[in-house]
Amino acid sequence: QKEVEQNSGPLSVPEGAIASLNCTYSDRGSQSFFWYRQYSGKSPELIMSIYSNGDKEDGRFTAQLNKASQYVSLLIRDSQPSDSATYLCAVKENNYGQNFVFGPGTRLSVLP
Amino acid sequence: DTGVSQNPRHKITKRGQNVTFRCDPISEHNRLYWYRQTLGQGPEFLTYFQNEAQLEKSRLLSDRFSAERPKGSFSTLEIQRTEQGDSAMYLCASSRDRSSYNEQFFGPGTRLTVL
Repeated sequence: QKEVEQNSGPLSVPEGAIASLNCTYSDRGSQSFFWYRQYSGKSPELIMSIYSNGDKEDGRFTAQLNKASQYVSLLIRDSQPSDSATYLCAVKENNYGQNFVFGPGTRLSVLP
Repeated sequence: DTGVSQNPRHKITKRGQNVTFRCDPISEHNRLYWYRQTLGQGPEFLTYFQNEAQLEKSRLLSDRFSAERPKGSFSTLEIQRTEQGDSAMYLCASSRDRSSYNEQFFGPGTRLTVL
C-alpha cells in the first residue's frame, strides 16, 4: 500500500525562526509532490508544488525534493503566527491515476 | 474569484438517511475529485472524473456511495443509508486538464455528521 508519512507534531517554533517540515513516501515512481496548508476547520490550500530534485523557492517557502531518498520537505522562513496550521504533504503516483495520496499532516505552531 | 464551491457546507442527518452533496469546480477545470477527511488525518481519495467520465474509484467507495458528473460541470456525491462512520469532511477538488502539474484546488468542504 502506497504511503506518505509525516511527523504529526506539534512542531513549535518561535516567531521569526525557520520551520522545517518533512515528508517521506513509499512509491518510488512518484513524480509530483505538493504541500498544502490547512487551518483548523478549513479545507486544504495549495502552497507549493515540486517535480524535480532540488529546491524550489516561493517567497518565504522553499520545497526540497530528493527522489533517491524518497523525501520531500518544506521550509518556512521568518515564521509568523499566521503560519500556524497543519501542513499536508501530497504525492501523485506515477501511473495513469490522478489521485493524490496525502500524509496525515504536521501541525505547526508559531509562538509570538 | 470563482473557486471551487460546495453545498451544503454542513449536513446533520440521522443514521439510515440518504444525503447528497454538490460540487461546482473552477470553470475551466475538466478534472474533478472527491476526497474524505476525518479528524487528524489527511484527505483520502474517493473518486475522480474527467469531464463526465468517472475514471477512478477508491475501494473506500462502498456500494452506498455514488457520484455523478452528468454534463461535465458540477458533480454530486450521494451516500445512501448513512452510518455513523460516514461522519467526516467531504472535500471536492478540481484541476485543469492537460496540465503537466495536476495542481488540485479544494473547495471549502461539506461537513457531514451522522447521528
